[in-house]
Amino acid sequence: DAKTTQPNSMESNEEEPVHLPCNHSTISGTDYIHWYRQLPSQGPEYVIHGLTSNVNNRMASLAIAEDRKSSTLILHRATLRDAAVYYCILRGYNNDMRFGAGTRLTVKP
Amino acid sequence: AAGVIQSPRHLIKEKRETATLKCYPIPRHDTVYWYQQGPGQDPQFLISFYEKMQSDKGSIPDRFSAQQFSDYHSELNMSSLELGDSALYFCASKTGGTKNIQYFGAGTRLSVL
Repeated sequence: DAKTTQPNSMESNEEEPVHLPCNHSTISGTDYIHWYRQLPSQGPEYVIHGLTSNVNNRMASLAIAEDRKSSTLILHRATLRDAAVYYCILRGYNNDMRFGAGTRLTVKP
Repeated sequence: AAGVIQSPRHLIKEKRETATLKCYPIPRHDTVYWYQQGPGQDPQFLISFYEKMQSDKGSIPDRFSAQQFSDYHSELNMSSLELGDSALYFCASKTGGTKNIQYFGAGTRLSVL
């Protein structure tokens, strides 16, 4: 499986935007970039995914580099409820998901 | 909206005992996944089923087995429990189609004493 690299932890202030980076230099042409997050004491939760183009949904935006070797999850206005571990995961269509080490986001009031 | 249901939520067992965890996927979801998350660790994929057939296998110990039934619910059977099996066990389900999104249950916390 193609590997992803994320910072261990990041901090943000409430109401400010957060940019969570992910490097995936060995991504293949058919790999989708998925982001999940895990709030404390809960199961992982889908955030967003994309293939080549930038994507937006009600939770976040996903910016994908032109060479697809990196991507950035953007939370436009962080709230205290966004404090979680964020996982960037590559998967081929219908392939199973392998979690790596995610980024623990702390949101300060 | 209906979510993935896991039971029990908490389970306490002794070493060498057996345990059965159950997962009820979202209605009309045909694929089920099992994950194990040890204390302070990231979720590790164990096994998955599509249309009642095993579709992929991850780091599932030989002491564990699982199956998906005709109503699409799944059970994870764990035998000869060890202290190291203490973890959160998550089940996720997915439907076919282009979105390929997994929906996770709240998990079963297994404690082996």
